[in-house]
Amino acid sequence: ELKVEQNPLFLSMQEGKNYTIYCNYSTTSDRLYWYRQDPGKSLESLFVLLSNGAVKQEGRLMASLDTKARLSTLHITAAVHDLSATYFCAVDLNSGSRLTFGEGTQLTVNP
Amino acid sequence: EAQVTQNPRYLITVTGKKLTVTCSQNMNHEYMSWYRQDPGLGLRQIYYSMNVEVTDKGDVPEGYKVSRKEKRNFPLILESPSPNQTSLYFCASIGLAGGPRTGELFFGEGSRLTVL
Repeated sequence: ELKVEQNPLFLSMQEGKNYTIYCNYSTTSDRLYWYRQDPGKSLESLFVLLSNGAVKQEGRLMASLDTKARLSTLHITAAVHDLSATYFCAVDLNSGSRLTFGEGTQLTVNP
Repeated sequence: EAQVTQNPRYLITVTGKKLTVTCSQNMNHEYMSWYRQDPGLGLRQIYYSMNVEVTDKGDVPEGYKVSRKEKRNFPLILESPSPNQTSLYFCASIGLAGGPRTGELFFGEGSRLTVL
């Protein structure tokens, strides 16, 4: 059974600081997703990582994938309040039809 | 505009009263799936479909049914809802036909269901 673990589950940080969210998974996969969810809203796709060593960046967020270590990271640079949300990673076992999600990391960025 | 549309967005019902949550996508995607989101449990897959007339169970299929008669629609049916099915439900679709957003999962806005 595939297990996907994120840590931390809760993260409170100050504006301007850097931090990393980790996503570990238990079964070989070469496709990993990161999503953002605002309270009461749907999930917004941030990154799709399709191969070992993939790195993608969008604004203050950068995601990477190490399939050998079964680890993905989401790095936040110089956090701003607008980044406050819950972030999920999801591991794909079958071309998008079988995603297993982590529990989510609730990020709060304080002014 | 590319989108996944769910209805209803909010529903309060009573135990045992059959209901259907509809899901429609306009992106000609092959794969569609249903998830439920519960506090502390993240998102869990209920059912998925790889194409018309092809459906399979996800991680938590008990108490649910689905059908895929047309490519664009993937309704979720609760034949006899129970309080433990109170949850936030998301439909999602994914296309694999090529293009810049290939392999990206698109989510609907969510349907909040309460079963009394």
